[in-house]
Order: sequence, then C-alpha cells, then structure tokens
Amino acid sequence: GQQLNQSPQSMFIQEGEDVSMNCTSSSIFNTWLWYKQDPGEGPVLLIALYKAGELTSNGRLTAQFGITRKDSFLNISASIPSDVGIYFCAGLPIQGAQKLVFGQGTRLTINP
Amino acid sequence: NAGVTQTPKFQVLKTGQSMTLQCAQDMNHEYMSWYRQDPGMGLRLIHYSVGAGITDQGEVPNGYNVSRSTTEDFPLRLLSAAPSQTSVYFCASSPDGGGRYEQYFGPGTRLTVT
Repeated sequence: GQQLNQSPQSMFIQEGEDVSMNCTSSSIFNTWLWYKQDPGEGPVLLIALYKAGELTSNGRLTAQFGITRKDSFLNISASIPSDVGIYFCAGLPIQGAQKLVFGQGTRLTINP
Repeated sequence: NAGVTQTPKFQVLKTGQSMTLQCAQDMNHEYMSWYRQDPGMGLRLIHYSVGAGITDQGEVPNGYNVSRSTTEDFPLRLLSAAPSQTSVYFCASSPDGGGRYEQYFGPGTRLTVT
C-alpha cells in the first residue's frame, strides 16, 4: 500500500532550539496532516494542509504543503519541554478512497 | 462534548477469545475509523466507515470485523484473538464534509493477547 517516509526517526535537541522534520511520498497527496502524540494518549491534530504550497502556523509550529504535492514539512521554533513527544505526518492520497496514510513518526527528546 | 471515547482502556485476552472494542463520538461526524499502532510504526488503518450502514476495509483488516448501525458508534470485533493482535487500538472520527479530513482520535485501548 501507500507509504510515507518520515524523517528523522528521532531527534535529541536542547531546549530553545528549532526543529525541522519532513514527510515524503512517491505519489501525490491532496491533504497533509500533522499530529503529536504524548505517551499513553491518542494523537492530537496540530495542523491541516489542503493546498499545494500552503504554509500554515499554529503558535510556534509551522507546516508546509510541498509544491510537488509529494511532501510536507513541520518546523517547531524555540522548543520547550512540553514539545516532547512523537510527531506523525499523515496524508490523503489522490487515489486513496479516504484512507489516511501515516508516517512512522519522529520522536522528539529535549534536553533542558 | 466528550469527543471520541473508547472502552475499555486496557484488556488482556487469551488466544482464541473474542471481544469487542467500543468507540463512540458525539460530534455528529460521518467518518469513523479504527487504527492499530505497534512499536516503531505509524498507525495502520484496520477498517473505516463513511456513514451509518457503510464500512470498508483498510490496510490490515484480517481478524477484525466492524459494523456501523448508528452515526455515533463504531465497534471493532476481534473474532479469535491472536498474539499478533497485541497492540494499541485507536478509534478516530472526521467531519468528512466539504473535503475536510482532519481526524480526531480517542485515547486508545491497549490490548494484550497471551
């Protein structure tokens, strides 16, 4: 089936640093979503993107829908301890019958 | 609104037992889905429903059944539990109107099959 390649798989950073992660696909997607999952909880939606080239912010988080429609990026500025968790990208392929495809996740660890 | 609720939160089954994982949402969402999450992997779609009376298979449907008799409820049935079904199960719902596909997740059910 469809797969998303999410990178990096893990990140270890200092508090206050900026974070960048991305998702790529071999096929075209018409929706990109970014989620954060805290331990023992369900994923929580951070940002939704629906148009190629779209750039959307949610506080210190900024995500972009790649112009090729095959990738998406998430940036976190000035990281704080509560940013720790696993970040997932998810995409809706053009030929996917409403089946979201998820990346494997990026585990973010922050050293205070 | 309670959002998406799931019960039970934890469950231990013996191989061959059957059980039903419950999922309900009070947001009047048309689209509901079930995922499983295994260590080091993203979420994989088991089954989904675009409305009451309509269900379809996802990526990993074998060993699971679903039904959607009401808009609010979407139970997932394990027919004969196997150790390979040890996982965390998430239910999600989406407005699915006007091209919006944001899915809202429940807190999960942690299932162990021995």
